[in-house]
Amino acid sequence: DTGVSQDPRHKITKRGQNVTFRCDPISEHNRLYWYRQTLGQGPEFLTYFQNEAQLEKSRLLSDRFSAERPKGSFSTLEIQRTEQGDSAMYLCASSLGLQGGMETQYFGPGTRLLVL
Amino acid sequence: AQSVTQLDSQVPVFEEAPVELRCNYSSSVSVYLFWYVQYPNQGLQLLLKYLSGSTLVKGINGFEAEFNKSQTSFHLRKPSVHISDTAEYFCAVSEGAGNNRKLIWGLGTSLAVNP
Repeated sequence: DTGVSQDPRHKITKRGQNVTFRCDPISEHNRLYWYRQTLGQGPEFLTYFQNEAQLEKSRLLSDRFSAERPKGSFSTLEIQRTEQGDSAMYLCASSLGLQGGMETQYFGPGTRLLVL
Repeated sequence: AQSVTQLDSQVPVFEEAPVELRCNYSSSVSVYLFWYVQYPNQGLQLLLKYLSGSTLVKGINGFEAEFNKSQTSFHLRKPSVHISDTAEYFCAVSEGAGNNRKLIWGLGTSLAVNP
């Protein structure tokens, strides 16, 4: 079990640039979540995948944000035309979900984004 | 919608003293509760969880929590803390029907263990 990995760990970008983050979940996990955590706050839900299907998006996820999980394995989160308010830690979590059941979400180390 | 309140933003405590970190959630028909710990510059690690059954849940590193449905609380306790327990602690509740089990989080409690 190699755990959830995220790349890059840190990203500094200028306002208006596009950035893309990658998340590799634990291999057999079918569910994948993206959260955002700003300084002094708890994580906030962004979006959720069941296999390759994106089943829910938070209203926090503006049109500038897009997430994919094309083969039901790794996922990418892209932010277009970044703004300073996008500066945060972006967390990915994966789980092995059973129908209607509750499972444990395992978190990656996060990608810290700083928009200048 | 579900919400989580962590009543203390910071808890300073001396080494080997007991500690309680408080967590309350808004009422729901069925609820699953979690405590995660975040060490500096690291990801979130699960401490313990309540899904069903016994209301006293034991987790890693000597932590335990008690689910109290009538008070809608899930307080985290440890009888004797170590310096290494210094970290940010987050309480979370699962919200969602069907297969989406997104977590709703509290703001976190910063535990500072002093020698």
